Amino acid sequence: GDSVTQMEGPVTLSEEACLTINCTYTATGYPSLFWYVQYPGEGLQLLLKATKADDKGSNKGFEATYRKETTSFHLEKGSVQVSDSAVYFCALSPGSGNTGKLIFGQGTTLQVKP
Amino acid sequence: DTEVTQTPKHLVMGMTNKKSLKCEQHMGHRAMYWYKQKAKKPPELMFVYSYEKLSINESVPSRFSPECPNSSLLNLHLHALQPEDSALYLCASSHGQGPRGTEAFFGQGTRLTVV
Repeated sequence: GDSVTQMEGPVTLSEEACLTINCTYTATGYPSLFWYVQYPGEGLQLLLKATKADDKGSNKGFEATYRKETTSFHLEKGSVQVSDSAVYFCALSPGSGNTGKLIFGQGTTLQVKP
Repeated sequence: DTEVTQTPKHLVMGMTNKKSLKCEQHMGHRAMYWYKQKAKKPPELMFVYSYEKLSINESVPSRFSPECPNSSLLNLHLHALQPEDSALYLCASSHGQGPRGTEAFFGQGTRLTVV
């Protein structure tokens, strides 16, 4: 079945460091890919998305490119801030027989220190 | 307005109580979802409503009963819950079709504690 694998956390960085959170997926057909962010005590916010191969999603300085050849959708940011501390979830929505269901990775906790 | 509103934010209930969680969206979305999230875990899908009809039930116990009164509202009725049902319950909505069909917007969640 379809699945998403994220790198284990927590990831601890100093402010202004570069961030990469790895995400790979297994899916049949042509899934849509998403990154969601969850701040402490809150719900999930859509951070960025990509709906087809080679699409690049971007928002708030974060970027991720849909790589079909490597089945990856790694999240990157050039300079993190303390306010970026949160849990990041990679997710996919299956392309075929799409029911709107989201399949999430396990989540990666990011802690940014001043 | 890209908001999904959930009430209440916190709920404590006994195992014999009956309570309801409410969710509302005014984005014209035709698909609405309930997810359950345990601490330090990803959300798990419980139910999907598409055009006000239940389209997915992920084998959820009958003590959870969803209801979709109209295209903007989604309820989750709770009865005879167990302490292990304590979790964050998230509502989400999406267009439900087309290229943006699965771009889901989540509410802030209801933190449920069963005592």
